[in-house]
Amino acid sequence: QKEVEQNSGPLSVPEGAIASLNCTYSDRGSQSFFWYRQYSGKSPELIMSIYSNGDKEDGRFTAQLNKASQYVSLLIRDSQPSDSATYLCAVAHSYNQGGKLIFGQGTELSVKP
Amino acid sequence: EAQVTQNPRYLITVTGKKLTVTCSQNMNHEYMSWYRQDPGLGLRQIYYSMNVEVTDKGDVPEGYKVSRKEKRNFPLILESPSPNQTSLYFCASSPSSGATYEQYFGPGTRLTVT
Repeated sequence: QKEVEQNSGPLSVPEGAIASLNCTYSDRGSQSFFWYRQYSGKSPELIMSIYSNGDKEDGRFTAQLNKASQYVSLLIRDSQPSDSATYLCAVAHSYNQGGKLIFGQGTELSVKP
Repeated sequence: EAQVTQNPRYLITVTGKKLTVTCSQNMNHEYMSWYRQDPGLGLRQIYYSMNVEVTDKGDVPEGYKVSRKEKRNFPLILESPSPNQTSLYFCASSPSSGATYEQYFGPGTRLTVT
């Protein structure tokens, strides 16, 4: 079992719709959860971080964390074509592993005009 | 502007020819790390450094070396590159090595070893 799993996609949504991206993780000691957006050939860009159960909203983005079920999700409201990218879920452990982020494989999102 | 820079951005080299990829950050971050990204394998950590003169191996350290003589710089050294080191490399930095600190990535270096 992979430590961090995401559906690879592609996930296709029409412009203006809500895109829902999901991530599950295997280590119950995981403490911090991040969503990065990566355009093709570019570096990962941090868009959300979440550390406690519940929802965290930032503009059109909402991160949701459920530690009991070991999943974290990202909702993108009013999706725009510029949101088309690969979204990486990353998890950090509570114990010191050199600050290593464990990344999922990423979900490719395509927003159609 | 707060940023992580890498050089070169693109490099084509031959097997066995030593090379160095530089990484520099201007945010006074303690923690720096190198990742490689490969299709189907995702991002994997190569080496990391929690402060000056403190470095340690990540998941895939074979064939790489690093040094941290100054806080802002964390070069990645390939002493004898091989074709399986062809990859996209990212340097990242963070204020601390604690799990709650967010990491910021450089623009990437695309390396091809023939």
